Amino acid sequence: QKEVEQDPGPLSVPEGAIVSLNCTYSNSAFQYFMWYRQYSRKGPELLMYTYSSGNKEDGRFTAQVDKSSKYISLFIRDSQPSDSATYLCAMRIYNFNKFYFGSGTKLNVKP
Amino acid sequence: DGGITQSPKYLFRKEGQNVTLSCEQNLNHDAMYWYRQDPGQGLRLIYYSQIVNDFQKGDIAEGYSVSREKKESFPLTVTSAQKNPTAFYLCASSTGTGSNQPQHFGDGTRLSIL
Repeated sequence: QKEVEQDPGPLSVPEGAIVSLNCTYSNSAFQYFMWYRQYSRKGPELLMYTYSSGNKEDGRFTAQVDKSSKYISLFIRDSQPSDSATYLCAMRIYNFNKFYFGSGTKLNVKP
Repeated sequence: DGGITQSPKYLFRKEGQNVTLSCEQNLNHDAMYWYRQDPGQGLRLIYYSQIVNDFQKGDIAEGYSVSREKKESFPLTVTSAQKNPTAFYLCASSTGTGSNQPQHFGDGTRLSIL
């Protein structure tokens, strides 16, 4: 079993929809959580970085962490065609310099 | 602008040839990483380095080698022993152990077999 599970999609939504992207994990030692956006033929770009359980908001993006359920989510409000990309979740253990990635969810926002 | 520069963007390898992918960062980060990304798959760790002159194997190190002689630079050599090298290679960096900051990535090198 992978330590981080992420539905690969593809997920197709109309412009303006609310998108929910999710990851589950098995290692309770994970304490830091990240979401990256990756456009085709480009490197991943950091979108959100959070530590504690609860919500963190940045513009149209909200990251949610539920450590008791080992479940993290990224919500995108008012989705735009420019949001079409692959979204990767990532995690790390406190004071340990190794990162664990989900396989990525491909999102397509239709105009 | 601070960032990570990977070169070349595209690289072609002939059978039996070693090729080297460049990664340079000006973020003053201690830790650097190499990942391999195949279509439909996540990132797989090849090697990482937490400090100059030190590096550790990741999950798929066979057929690859690295060096870390300078803080800013972490080149990856894909050797002829790597029988399936066609992939997208990503370099990343982060601040050192204890800061618990996220990784930042370069824009990748796409390696293909001729």
